[in-house]
Amino acid sequence: ETGVTQTPRHLVMGMTNKKSLKCEQHLGHNAMYWYKQSAKKPLELMFVYNFKEQTENNSVPSRFSPECPNSSHLFLHLHTLQPEDSALYLCASSRDGTGIYEQYFGPGTRLTVT
Amino acid sequence: AQSVAQPEDQVNVAEGNPLTVKCTYSVSGNPYLFWYVQYPNRGLQFLLKYITGDNLVKGSYGFEAEFNKSQTSFHLKKPSALVSDSALYFCAVRDGNTPLVFGKGTRLSVIA
Repeated sequence: ETGVTQTPRHLVMGMTNKKSLKCEQHLGHNAMYWYKQSAKKPLELMFVYNFKEQTENNSVPSRFSPECPNSSHLFLHLHTLQPEDSALYLCASSRDGTGIYEQYFGPGTRLTVT
Repeated sequence: AQSVAQPEDQVNVAEGNPLTVKCTYSVSGNPYLFWYVQYPNRGLQFLLKYITGDNLVKGSYGFEAEFNKSQTSFHLKKPSALVSDSALYFCAVRDGNTPLVFGKGTRLSVIA
């Protein structure tokens, strides 16, 4: 495996629910990322954290709220989602955020919004 | 803004034959180029990258890619395809401080 774990692997939630996705990396990396992967669309970067500081918010709606308490953990808090938010959410990490280091991806959380 | 294009949605190749998955890019500065592979129900796995130096880059599982600055291309190649290479392949590019941008992916099918 890649050293990046994500829980849960599958999540079904109603539009009024609040849930959280968790990501943990065991690689000693300092940068972490959230991506959204939808069918027939390119991988979309959502958020970037470098040394626990958010360095990128790619115009993500406020119903998605990231949290990075330390360099090993990353959360994505979800509330009042829409059906079009159904997708595979991927977490990744890299040595740092300079861009020269490859990213290591978790297996993803398959989210279905009903 | 940087962009990356993978012109083929699907590539079919017979087992044992060479394979090529195409990627072209557009950046304003010097590119950092990556290839990733995604197997069903899995996250992306890193294959290889070009940052600087030798234009021919060798990576995991026998894959290689050639950085061609004049053609702004970074095609992924393998001399002899395996059925187990069947997967979704993504090219990605960034420059300087900009975020990594992924192509839409190319599905490779290797037929026994």
